[in-house]
Amino acid sequence: AQSVTQLGSHVSVSEGALVLLRCNYSSSVPPYLFWYVQYPNQGLQLLLKYTSAATLVKGINGFEAEFKKSETSFHLTKPSAHMRDAAEYFCAVSDPRGNNRLAFGKGNQVVVIP
Amino acid sequence: DGGITQSPKYLFRKEGQNVTLSCEQNLNHDAMYWYRQDPGQGLRLIYYSQIVNDFQKGDIAEGYSVSREKKESFPLTVTSAQKNPTAFYLCASTSGGGRTYEQYFGPGTRLTVT
Repeated sequence: AQSVTQLGSHVSVSEGALVLLRCNYSSSVPPYLFWYVQYPNQGLQLLLKYTSAATLVKGINGFEAEFKKSETSFHLTKPSAHMRDAAEYFCAVSDPRGNNRLAFGKGNQVVVIP
Repeated sequence: DGGITQSPKYLFRKEGQNVTLSCEQNLNHDAMYWYRQDPGQGLRLIYYSQIVNDFQKGDIAEGYSVSREKKESFPLTVTSAQKNPTAFYLCASTSGGGRTYEQYFGPGTRLTVT
């Protein structure tokens, strides 16, 4: 079974500082990986995805993530945090054999300090 | 505009009553999913359906039931057998077709049972 680990339920970052959210996965087959963002009382919005093409993936709102097979990681970064980045972020892994089931991490609540 | 609608946004019920949450999509997606979200727990899969008239249990199906009579609709019933039904419920869909695509999410329904 696939799984995702996100450490640190709450992450505080100063406005203008680097945002780094860590995601480590476990999968018996080469995975597909996703980062989603959720604003309060809303659904999830896709930030970016890795589907076995380029290992450095660029997404919306200035975010990017790098797939590192040797480290089983898919960490999310943004060089400079904005107040609007305050939200909850979820990493998810999917079975690429086609059943489309996603396994989610427990999420990181990001707080941006002015 | 194509998308996923969930209604209502907020739902209140008394303990012991069954309640049905609506999920409709006009994206022409084959697969649909129901997740439950609790604070600090991420998203957990309740049921999913990859094709009309077929569905499978997810990781936490006990106390829930679904139907998939139309491609566009995937209602979820929270029965009185669900021991802790208060949560935020999210519906999602994806193209499916044997390939892995990202899931698109609805805005969610917050259910409170007292």
